Amino acid sequence: GNSVTQMEGPVTLSEEAFLTINCTYTATGYPSLFWYVQYPGEGLQLLLKATKADDKGSNKGFEATYRKETTSFHLEKGSVQVSDSAVYFCALGDNAGNMLTFGGGTRLMVKP
Amino acid sequence: DTEVTQTPKHLVMGMTNKKSLKCEQHMGHRAMYWYKQKAKKPPELMFVYSYEKLSINESVPSRFSPECPNSSLLNLHLHALQPEDSALYLCASSTYALGPPAHGYTFGSGTRLTVV
Repeated sequence: GNSVTQMEGPVTLSEEAFLTINCTYTATGYPSLFWYVQYPGEGLQLLLKATKADDKGSNKGFEATYRKETTSFHLEKGSVQVSDSAVYFCALGDNAGNMLTFGGGTRLMVKP
Repeated sequence: DTEVTQTPKHLVMGMTNKKSLKCEQHMGHRAMYWYKQKAKKPPELMFVYSYEKLSINESVPSRFSPECPNSSLLNLHLHALQPEDSALYLCASSTYALGPPAHGYTFGSGTRLTVV
């Protein structure tokens, strides 16, 4: 079956630091990959996506590249802000009609 | 309109109460979902509706009863809940339930449910 593995948090960074949150996946075929963000007390918001190998998704300074050879979709941002503090979920959607599969989530805390 | 709207935002109910959660979207999406999320955990799928028909029930106890009155509305009826059912209940929608989910799901802000 499909699975998504994320690095465990919390990840604590100072403002303007570089961010990487690792995500690897197991799936058959050619899945679509997503990063969702959940701010405190809110639902999940789609942050970025990639639908095929070597695609780069980007939004709000965040980016992730779909690497089929390493089955990875790591999230990066060059300079984090306090407002980026949230929980980030990596997710996979296959093309066989299965529902989204979520990773366990990674909490990011950015300190001033 | 690109949102999924959930009401109420917060709900406290006793174990003998009956209440309902509501979800609405006007994006023309034909698939709608209920998820349950406990603290510090990813969302867990409960139900999937495709073209207003229940297509997936992830072995959810019968005290949770979903309903899809039309393509824009999704309800979750609650009855005789237990304290361990306290959680954030999220509604989501997508273009279709089956086939490539190229656009992902759109989530609502959730209903924070506390069972006392």
